[in-house]
Amino acid sequence: EIVLTQSPATLSLSPGERATLSCRASQSVSIYLAWYQQKPGQAPRLLIYDASNRATGIPARFSGSGSGTDFTLTISSLEPEDFAIYYCQQRNDWPLTFGGGTKVEIK
Amino acid sequence: QVQLVESGGGVVQPGGSLRLSCAASGFTFTTYGLHWVRQAPGKGLEWVAFIRYDGGNSHYADSVKGRFTISRDNSKNTLYLQMNSLRPEDTALYFCSRGSATGSPPFDCWGQGTLVTVSS
Repeated sequence: EIVLTQSPATLSLSPGERATLSCRASQSVSIYLAWYQQKPGQAPRLLIYDASNRATGIPARFSGSGSGTDFTLTISSLEPEDFAIYYCQQRNDWPLTFGGGTKVEIK
Repeated sequence: QVQLVESGGGVVQPGGSLRLSCAASGFTFTTYGLHWVRQAPGKGLEWVAFIRYDGGNSHYADSVKGRFTISRDNSKNTLYLQMNSLRPEDTALYFCSRGSATGSPPFDCWGQGTLVTVSS
């Protein structure tokens, strides 16, 4: 199975700062990588699909890039509501797999 | 609006069985594949199973293969997960989520989850 490794595990930043989250795949997933945001007690929310496409209703401060094995989620300027856990997920091959998550916390 | 509502969770002893349901509304159920994803308490997300829009194909995580069966009833707009030979490590919040369709990415809609606890 394809293993997704997210880094860092925790990112401590202040509102207004730029957040850069990484997801590395153990083998190529082409562009079939998605990013999700999850807050406590809530279901995950799709942010980015197919590496760089924003899902419906997602603010432009969220952007995704990458292909193959290396991907990045960037939040250009953190809003208070952006402090959460972020997961990447590949759908290039079965079984689908998720990364372990990056927690973005308030510094 | 698009809605997925899970039910059927509860407390079950190791080795027991449980059937989860996911009732869908607000979209054309028969054109979407569907997934189950779980999250153990305090842990990350784990994909569990997928079923094609017509029920003609399915895939499973290795951790549940041979024990769990995904199915759907397109006449009732409902997705199911039959869980047998349950283990303590199956304890989790189980979410259903919508797959992809033309013009619609996968996992764009999730239910609120139903909690399964496997304990003696």
